[in-house]
Parts: sequence; C-alpha cells; structure tokens
Amino acid sequence: AQTVTQSQPEMSVQEAETVTLSCTYDTSESDYYLFWYKQPPSRQMILVIRQEAYKQQNATENRFSVNFQKAAKSFSLKISDSQLGDAAMYFCAYRRKPGYALNFGKGTSLLVTP
Amino acid sequence: GAGVSQSPSNKVTEKGKDVELRCDPISGHTALYWYRQSLGQGLEFLIYFQGNSAPDKSGLPSDRFSAERTGGSVSTLTIQRTQQEDSAVYLCASSLAGGQGEANTEAFFGQGTRLTVV
Repeated sequence: AQTVTQSQPEMSVQEAETVTLSCTYDTSESDYYLFWYKQPPSRQMILVIRQEAYKQQNATENRFSVNFQKAAKSFSLKISDSQLGDAAMYFCAYRRKPGYALNFGKGTSLLVTP
Repeated sequence: GAGVSQSPSNKVTEKGKDVELRCDPISGHTALYWYRQSLGQGLEFLIYFQGNSAPDKSGLPSDRFSAERTGGSVSTLTIQRTQQEDSAVYLCASSLAGGQGEANTEAFFGQGTRLTVV
C-alpha cells in the first residue's frame, strides 16, 4: 500500500517570507501523480499544485512550487512571499493511476504571522 | 450547482442511531469519493464510485458503513448503529477521472459533513 508522510505537524512563517513543507511517500510504481491540497478553516479542500511523476520538471503555480525528487520519493512544497491567506492545513496526496483514490498524508498546519 | 454539495453540514446524533450523509457531485463527474477526516488526522479513504458501481470499497471501516450512488450522480453514505468513534468530518469529492492520462484530473471536494455522535 502506498503511504504518504508529512513529518511537520506545524510550521510557522512570517508574511513575505518563504516556507517549505515536506512530504515523502512510499510506492513501487514508476508512474503516479502527486498533489498538494490546502484546507482552510472552512474545510474546503483546494488543489494547490500537482505533479506527474514522469515529468522531470518541477511544477510551479505562481507563488507555489514543488521540489520533486523521484529517487528519494520526496515532494516538498515551497511557498514564496507568504501571505496571511496562506494560513491553512496543507495535505500532500498520492494517486497511483486512474481509478484509484488519492492517498493523503496527515497534514501540516501552516501559521502565517504579520 | 457549481461545486460539490454535501448535506447536512453538521449532524449530531445519539449513539446507536443510523445516519445518512448526502453528496451531490459536480454535474458530469463520473468518479466520486468518500473520505473521513478525524481530528488531527489526514483524510482516510472510504469508498470510490465510478458511475453507479463501487470498484473500491476497501476503506469502509466496518459493515455498519455502506454507500450507494444512483443515476451516476447523488451518493449517500449510511452509518448504522453509530458509535462515538464515528465522530468525524466526512468529505466527498468528485472528478472526471477515467482513462489513461486523466489520473491527474483534479478532484473537487465538498465542504463536508461534521458528524458528532453523543
């Protein structure tokens, strides 16, 4: 079974600074898909960024980027120029292939201070 | 509707009662997922539907849990004889998943139902 590990239960960053959230996963597959989701207090899960394992180039979405290290099975999220609205729970997720569910880590709570 | 809709938003029930949680996916989404989120935990997969069939129900924690989907749209998660450990937020998601190359298709989530068993 695939497992996703987020080793940082809580992180804190000052506004305008950069923070990196860690995620590792375990799989025997060569092709798969990785995601970062954001969950604010409203409980609404929002997709932040996604990465296909067969792509070597790291995905970026505005202030959000990932560092995908396939050999190390690592998928960290970097948030640049942090904003107060970035405060939320962040979940790393893995999907093996079509027809399979997303497997989630336990999440990292991100606090953004003024 | 524009997004995934779940009802009720909150449900308080007495131990031993049955509850039904409803999920209305985005129109046209063939895949539907149920997850459970307990306090301080990640999202625990419960069941996956493709159309009206459930190819993966491996996450249902016991036979007190069941789910169905009708017309390839609305899904209902039923918990019989609720127990206090069933207290959690139950999240539903839908996507266009299906076919090679679409695995990265975004899963859209509802806002969940917070179930409290007293």
